[in-house]
Amino acid sequence: DTGVSQNPRHKITKRGQNVTFRCDPISEHNRLYWYRQTLGQGPEFLTYFQNEAQLEKSRLLSDRFSAERPKGSFSTLEIQRTEQGDSAMYLCASSPQGQGAYGYTFGSGTRLTVV
Amino acid sequence: DQQVKQNSPSLSVQEGRISILNCDYTNSMFDYFLWYKKYPAEGPTFLISISSIKDKNEDGRFTVFLNKSAKHLSLHIVPSQPGDSAVYFCAASAQGQGAQKLVFGQGTRLTINP
Repeated sequence: DTGVSQNPRHKITKRGQNVTFRCDPISEHNRLYWYRQTLGQGPEFLTYFQNEAQLEKSRLLSDRFSAERPKGSFSTLEIQRTEQGDSAMYLCASSPQGQGAYGYTFGSGTRLTVV
Repeated sequence: DQQVKQNSPSLSVQEGRISILNCDYTNSMFDYFLWYKKYPAEGPTFLISISSIKDKNEDGRFTVFLNKSAKHLSLHIVPSQPGDSAVYFCAASAQGQGAQKLVFGQGTRLTINP
């Protein structure tokens, strides 16, 4: 297992365009989390899945953001009509059953730049 | 509101000396605390943690101290090595074993000078 994989590593997009990121968790981990990190700040929780069910969403996740984990394996995070304020590092983490926040393994992140 | 705060954006320490990174929190419901280390272009990696029922946890060169009355924790690294140069994040969770999400501080950039 190569850990948590995120693609692409970098994305530059024009304001108003839609973007989609992918996260492949560690295969035996049933929980998957998305965080956003802006410059000079720590990661902020966006949402998490248990298998294919999205169980919690932060108020940071506006209606332009949508996340899916259709078969309980990989997950996608889509941002519609991107704004400059969406520029950030988007981090994905996965965790095994029963460990939750204590068992995170983070991916290397997708850095989004909106120009 | 910033529930977890790391008030020092950066810290510079001589190789071989002790590095002390500090973290304060405001939410009394937090019952588990973690430190992560982050190198550029990589995700955060877990370093050490402590439950609120303890006041100290040690793992090799790393020790975390928790002062619940002051809502303060610190990470001690001794002796500091050049490979310790990274950004360190303090994080906290609530609700015991059911906790899913972490609340992070802003991070402290540690530089170890040879």
